[in-house]
Amino acid sequence: GAGVSQSPSNKVTEKGKDVELRCDPISGHTALYWYRQRLGQGLEFLIYFQGNSAPDKSGLPSDRFSAERTGESVSTLTIQRTQQEDSAVYLCASSLGGRSRETQYFGPGTRLLVL
Amino acid sequence: GESVGLHLPTLSVQEGDNSIINCAYSNSASDYFIWYKQESGKGPQFIIDIRSNMDKRQGQRVTVLLNKTVKHLSLQIAATQPGDSAVYFCASTYGQNFVFGPGTRLSVLP
Repeated sequence: GAGVSQSPSNKVTEKGKDVELRCDPISGHTALYWYRQRLGQGLEFLIYFQGNSAPDKSGLPSDRFSAERTGESVSTLTIQRTQQEDSAVYLCASSLGGRSRETQYFGPGTRLLVL
Repeated sequence: GESVGLHLPTLSVQEGDNSIINCAYSNSASDYFIWYKQESGKGPQFIIDIRSNMDKRQGQRVTVLLNKTVKHLSLQIAATQPGDSAVYFCASTYGQNFVFGPGTRLSVLP
C-alpha cells in the first residue's frame, strides 16, 4: 500500500477485556515496530519484528502484551485484561530493511481508551 | 544508556519567522538522527535525517544541524507557516536501538 495503515483508528474498551490492534506495513518493508504514546509524551518502544521473528521484545511492559506478525506483512498487538493505564495511542511503523540507519514510516495510530 | 532529550517542551513563533528546535543526545556513538513531525491526531511523519559523517543537511524549508562535539542536534524551519504547528521529535539510532525524545510543541502565531 501507499503507507502504513492501522486499525481500528479508535477503540474504547472496558477494564479487563482483551483488545487486538492491527498494523499493515508498507509493502516490501521487512522491519516492523510497535510504539506506545501516552498523552503529551514521547514514543515508548514496545517490540520490533524482522520478518516474522521478534528479536527485540524488550519494550513490552508486561506479559499482558503480546504481538505477532505473519511473514513480512500484517502484525497484531494484543493486550489482555486491559487496564486503565493501557490507555494510549499505539503506533506502528515499518522500515525497508535492518533496524538501524533505516527511516521508519509511521501509521496514524490506534487510540485506545480503557474505561 | 542512550537518551535523547529536547531543551524546550514548547516553542511559539510568529508566522514568517524562522524556528529552531533543539535536541541533545547522550551517546557519542550515535550515528544516525531523524526529525519527525507529528500533527494532532496523526502519526509521526519523517521530515529529514542526517548521518554522523555530516554536519548539515538541507531539505525544503528545513535544515538539520549536527554538532557531534557537544552532542546537539537542531531543526531549523525557515519562514514558519501555520501548517508547521505540530510536535517535533528527534530520534537517534545506535546499534539496534532507536530512541525518541519527548517532543517539542511548535505553535505558530498569526
